[in-house]
Amino acid sequence: QLQLQESGPGLVKPSETLSLSCAVSGGALRSSGSYWGWVRQSPEKGLEWIGSIYYSGITYYSPSLRSRVTLSVDTSKNQFSLKLRSVTAADTAIYYCARLQVLQFEPWGQGTLVTVSS
Amino acid sequence: DIQMTQSPSSLSASVGERVVITCRASQSISNSVNWYQQKPGKPPKLVISGASTLQSGAPSRFSGSGSGTDFTLTINSLQPEDFATYYCQQSFSTPPFFGGGTKVEIK
Repeated sequence: QLQLQESGPGLVKPSETLSLSCAVSGGALRSSGSYWGWVRQSPEKGLEWIGSIYYSGITYYSPSLRSRVTLSVDTSKNQFSLKLRSVTAADTAIYYCARLQVLQFEPWGQGTLVTVSS
Repeated sequence: DIQMTQSPSSLSASVGERVVITCRASQSISNSVNWYQQKPGKPPKLVISGASTLQSGAPSRFSGSGSGTDFTLTINSLQPEDFATYYCQQSFSTPPFFGGGTKVEIK
């Protein structure tokens, strides 16, 4: 059974870079047709797609976050990562990783709360 | 970008009732809508894909319909475990926007 697990700091200072990883188990990141993505959730913005990546490195980013986001993949570790630069309090959210197939998100990781505060 | 407008934002219903949630796309998206259920402290879970395909393991009391711009999620005979927040999401094109959610509460 495919499972995803996010990891990374729960507290990030304003103007710094948020870095999260998502470990994939029970299946290969190289799975044909599968993209891997990040979605965040906050009371203010609801569920917000951040971006998606294919194992080959092809990426798609949310237009509103494109200037600050970088996704990467490490097939040797079967994990993918998110970096969000120049964070502000508005970036405080629960961050989820998920598999995408035909733009369907499933399964999801359990989520990790990231708070931006000094 | 294709926006998704979901209604109502919340509703109260009793066990056994039929519940209908609607989602409208800002432009025609064929049948490219997914529905997710989210319970407190948990990630969303895909319930219906392609507007009407019930996911494996999802109860048959859940059904979806619609095409073009208007879609509905129906829960027949609401059960205690169905009290949750439901989200639609368009899968027609990137960015895959979500609706604002419908919280189904116990009356």
